[in-house]
Amino acid sequence: GENVEQHPSTLSVQEGDSAVIKCTYSDSASNYFPWYKQELGKGPQLIIDIRSNVGEKKDQRIAVTLNKTAKHFSLHITETQPEDSAVYFCAATPSGGYQKVTFGTGTKLQVIP
Amino acid sequence: DVKVTQSSRYLVKRTGEKVFLECVQDMDHENMFWYRQDPGLGLRLIYFSYDVKMKEKGDIPEGYSVSREKKERFSLILESASTNQTSMYLCASRRQGQNTEAFFGQGTRLTVV
Repeated sequence: GENVEQHPSTLSVQEGDSAVIKCTYSDSASNYFPWYKQELGKGPQLIIDIRSNVGEKKDQRIAVTLNKTAKHFSLHITETQPEDSAVYFCAATPSGGYQKVTFGTGTKLQVIP
Repeated sequence: DVKVTQSSRYLVKRTGEKVFLECVQDMDHENMFWYRQDPGLGLRLIYFSYDVKMKEKGDIPEGYSVSREKKERFSLILESASTNQTSMYLCASRRQGQNTEAFFGQGTRLTVV
C-alpha cells in the first residue's frame, strides 16, 4: 500500500517569512495530492491540491510543487501570517481501486508575530 | 454549506464498554471514512465505506467495526473499549470519483479509563 512521509514534524517561522513542508510517497499509481490544514479544535480542511499531470499550482500565498519522478511534493507558504499557524497534512490518492487517501504524519506550523 | 457532523465532541468511557461514534453527512457522498489521529502518527484509516452496507478495512481495523445502514450515516463501534483506543476520531466523506475533496467532521475526543 501507499506510504507517505512528511517533514518536518514541527516548524517555527517569523511572521512574513516563508514556510516549506515536504512529503514523499511510495506508490507510483498515486496521482492526486491534496494538502489539508487543521486548526485547533477543528477537522482538517482542504487548502490546495495538485494532480499528477501538473508540476506546480499556486493560490495566492500558497503553492504546491510535484516531482513525479522523485515522488516528492511540497507545500510552500509565503508571507506567513499568525493565522497560518495550524497542523498541515499532505496526502496521496491512487487512481484506481477505492481511491483510499493516505495521509502524512502532519506538520505543526507556528508563525511567531 | 456542506457538513459532516459527529455526534459528540468529547466522550469518556470505561474499559470494556461498547462505544458508538456516529457521523452524518448532508452531501449525498458515496464514500465515508473513519480515521484515528494520534500525535506523531498522523491520520490513520480505520474503516471506510463506498456504499450503503458496504465496508472495507483500513490500516488499523483491529478492535473496531462499522455500520452503514443509510447513505448519510456511518457509525464506528468499539466492541470492547480499551485504554489504547483513547484518541481523536475523525469522520470524513467524499464523493465517488477521482480527485475529489474529503470533508471532515470536527472530531470526537475519546478517553477510555
